[in-house]
Amino acid sequence: LAKTTQPISMDSYEGQEVNITCSHNNIATNDYITWYQQFPSQGPRFIIQGYKTKVTNEVASLFIPADRKSSTLSLPRVSLSDTAVYYCLQYNYGQNFVFGPGTRLSVLP
Amino acid sequence: DGGITQSPKYLFRKEGQNVTLSCEQNLNHDAMYWYRQDPGQGLRLIYYSQIVNDFQKGDIAEGYSVSREKKESFPLTVTSAQKNPTAFYLCAGYSPGVNYGYTFGSGTRLTVV
Repeated sequence: LAKTTQPISMDSYEGQEVNITCSHNNIATNDYITWYQQFPSQGPRFIIQGYKTKVTNEVASLFIPADRKSSTLSLPRVSLSDTAVYYCLQYNYGQNFVFGPGTRLSVLP
Repeated sequence: DGGITQSPKYLFRKEGQNVTLSCEQNLNHDAMYWYRQDPGQGLRLIYYSQIVNDFQKGDIAEGYSVSREKKESFPLTVTSAQKNPTAFYLCAGYSPGVNYGYTFGSGTRLTVV
C-alpha cells in the first residue's frame, strides 16, 4: 500500500501556478519526501526532493511544514507540456519506493 | 550518455510463450528494480536486486523471473504462468546519492496477442 495520499486529478490553465498537496500521515524521522513526474509511455523522472521547509530548483518548489505530515509541490506558470502524472513518495535509503496512483494534472489552453 | 536502457520498446507475445525484457545500466547502480504499470495505475514492484547474484520478490512476482549475473544487467522474463501480462514494464536503478533516488528506463510495452 502507498504510504501517501494525493488527489487523483487536477485541472489547470496555461500560465497558472499549480500546487499539488500530498499527505504523509505515517512519515518516519529518517524519511525523505520526493516527487516524480511521468509522461505517457515513459518512465517517471525525478523532480525534487526535500526533508523539511522549502526546496526550490529550476522546475519546481517543494514546501514541507514543520510536522512533515504533508508536502506541496508547486509548479510555477504551467504550460501544456506539464500535463503528466505526478507522484509523491516518502522513503528512507535502503527501502523500496512505493508508488501510489499519483495525481493526473491536465493543463488546458 | 549514462542511463537505464530497456529493450525492446514494444513487444508482442503469443499466449503460452515466455518473453524476456532487457534492462541494462551504465550508472553503476547497485540496486535494480522491475515495475509493472497498468493503465491509469501506479507502479507495482515485481522483483528487485540489491547485489549481483541476489534478488528478492516484490509485491507481484508470480509469473515472472529475473536474474542478476552482472551488475549492469537485470533481465525480466514474463512466463506463461503470468495470466495477464499485457502492461507497461519499467526498470529502475538506485544508488544512494545518485539523482536523489531512482533512475528509470523508458519502459517496454508488452501486449499479448
